[in-house]
Amino acid sequence: ETGVTQSPTHLIKTRGQQVTLRCSSQSGHNTVSWYQQALGQGPQFIFQYYREEENGRGNFPPRFSGLQFPNYSSELNVNALELDDSALYLCASSLYPQGNRNYGYTFGSGTRLTVV
Amino acid sequence: AQKITQTQPGMFVQEKEAVTLDCTYDTSDQSYGLFWYKQPSSGEMIFLIYQGSYDEQNATEGRYSLNFQKARKSANLVISASQLGDSAMYFCAMRELDFMSNTGNQFYFGTGTSLTVIP
Repeated sequence: ETGVTQSPTHLIKTRGQQVTLRCSSQSGHNTVSWYQQALGQGPQFIFQYYREEENGRGNFPPRFSGLQFPNYSSELNVNALELDDSALYLCASSLYPQGNRNYGYTFGSGTRLTVV
Repeated sequence: AQKITQTQPGMFVQEKEAVTLDCTYDTSDQSYGLFWYKQPSSGEMIFLIYQGSYDEQNATEGRYSLNFQKARKSANLVISASQLGDSAMYFCAMRELDFMSNTGNQFYFGTGTSLTVIP
């Protein structure tokens, strides 16, 4: 089975621009979550998508938005980029309802976004 | 309020020795899961071990074991027989478990511990 694939791996954007990050979920998974990991910090929950709808959101402003597609892949969009948006963005996929004891969350390797 | 606390920013261990990485957590829920992830420089979060709040036995996965002390709200990771490839960031995480819905379910991560294995 394939794991979670994120693209691009690295990205440099200018303050004020918009960016789209992409995530292909693991085969058989139907739920996608996005996390922001600033340098030296643990990942922070942005939001989760299930059945193509957002069904949970962390403490992030509306300029962070997302989509989930019928094939369960997902996009994270960030408008009006700020310097503090520089971080590693991680995508995790899972299957709901979960069957195995660790609830089978698989993370991708992330997209490193630098805002200058 | 912070839910996961990792007080060791960096740890060193001699190859083949055991090391314990500390984690304390805070929750009012009765049903939750505790996780440890390894993050090498590549960025990927690699699942290591899971402990459910109702599990009476401490979890073990190969060289990894979780020292779960529910009353103290601690979930320390023990790595036995350290290898050079164990050098990485280690994150403790908690997820409150709702078996009826996945709405809003999220991981709460600590700030991580950087482990360096010395030859």
